[in-house]
Amino acid sequence: KQEVTQIPAALSVPEGENLVLNCSFTDSAIYNLQWFRQDPGKGLTSLLLIQSSQREQTSGRLNASLDKSSGRSTLYIAASQPGDSATYLCAVIRQGAQKLVFGQGTRLTINP
Amino acid sequence: GAVVSQHPSRVICKSGTSVKIECRSLDFQATTMFWYRQFPKQSLMLMATSNEGSKATYEQGVEKDKFLINHASLTLSTLTVTSAHPEDSSFYICSARALGGSNEKLFFGSGTQLSVL
Repeated sequence: KQEVTQIPAALSVPEGENLVLNCSFTDSAIYNLQWFRQDPGKGLTSLLLIQSSQREQTSGRLNASLDKSSGRSTLYIAASQPGDSATYLCAVIRQGAQKLVFGQGTRLTINP
Repeated sequence: GAVVSQHPSRVICKSGTSVKIECRSLDFQATTMFWYRQFPKQSLMLMATSNEGSKATYEQGVEKDKFLINHASLTLSTLTVTSAHPEDSSFYICSARALGGSNEKLFFGSGTQLSVL
């Protein structure tokens, strides 16, 4: 059974800092991994998707890496801003499956 | 980009009543929709997968007679929480997979906060 773990559970940093969020998964036979953002009481916004054959994806100030063999992914946020405050979720799809398995999320707070 | 509309965004009901949540794909046809629930400060847990025109597939531990899912068209899926109880209070989110799309393209609704008194 695939399990996805995110560390830390919560993170608070001053504005402008670069930061890294971590995600680990137990079954390396994944199809892809996604990072999502969730604002309080809202749905999910997809940030980055990494195929199992890829090692990283970039979008603006965000960079996600994937090390499938070790079961790890990181989300790097450069020059953090207060608007980046949200919960960040990673999720994987197993090969041959339809459903996403989510981590518990990291609640990020960027202080002005 | 594709839009999934979920209504209502918030509902408060009395214990024992039924609540219906709608999930609509506005600009694409969704062959498959997924329903998740999320407790405070916890992750999303998949409840069921529904395919248009067929019965939903429920995850282990989810009562299919309590959480009725209907996917009658390619643009609409509904989740009905029957005889709701306070322990059903949660945040419910739907997601939709576009027709002909790969599993990777999933679009999420904005969620429904259900509070059962």
